Amino acid sequence: GENVEQHPSTLSVQEGDSAVIKCTYSDSASNYFPWYKQELGKRPQLIIDIRSNVGEKKDQRIAVTLNKTAKHFSLHITETQPEDSAVYFCAAMNTGNQFYFGTGTSLTVIP
Amino acid sequence: DAGVIQSPRHEVTEMGQEVTLRCKPISGHNSLFWYRQTMMRGLELLIYFNNNVPIDDSGMPEDRFSAKMPNASFSTLKIQPSEPRDSAVYFCASSSRTPNEKLFFGSGTQLSVL
Repeated sequence: GENVEQHPSTLSVQEGDSAVIKCTYSDSASNYFPWYKQELGKRPQLIIDIRSNVGEKKDQRIAVTLNKTAKHFSLHITETQPEDSAVYFCAAMNTGNQFYFGTGTSLTVIP
Repeated sequence: DAGVIQSPRHEVTEMGQEVTLRCKPISGHNSLFWYRQTMMRGLELLIYFNNNVPIDDSGMPEDRFSAKMPNASFSTLKIQPSEPRDSAVYFCASSSRTPNEKLFFGSGTQLSVL
């Protein structure tokens, strides 16, 4: 099956700086890669996603890049704000429509 | 749409008791997933239904866990008998291949087994 690895597990940045979270996947047939943000005590919320036929996607301060050859994808958050502090999960969906999640990155934005 | 609805939000029970968690997926979604979240193991996929049929239950920890989806709008996850190590947050999520594959989570059930 699919194996998704995520790094780093924790990340601290100063407010206004950028944050980058990286994930790799093992199944070359996986074709959809969402990112979720989970605040303490809340459900994971979808923040951005990318399909395998696209290399990059941007939505305001967040962007995701995908390198199919290397089987890795990254989340970029620019101009970080304290409200960006949360746990972020990457995921990969295989052709069977099953979602496999990374282990999460706890992001802290220091005011 | 109200999103994925789970009940109860919190469940406290004693070891050995039966626990039933409930989920109503988003209307029109044909895929339903049960996840368990703990600090140690993150988000673990327990079971996945497609069109009400269990497709992959390899993540179900042991025979004490069972899940059903009698129709497109309702699923249950049952633990019998419950043990303290089952304490976790259990999330239900749903998706549909069309018009897109987006996966949406319910609010979760915080289970504490004493």
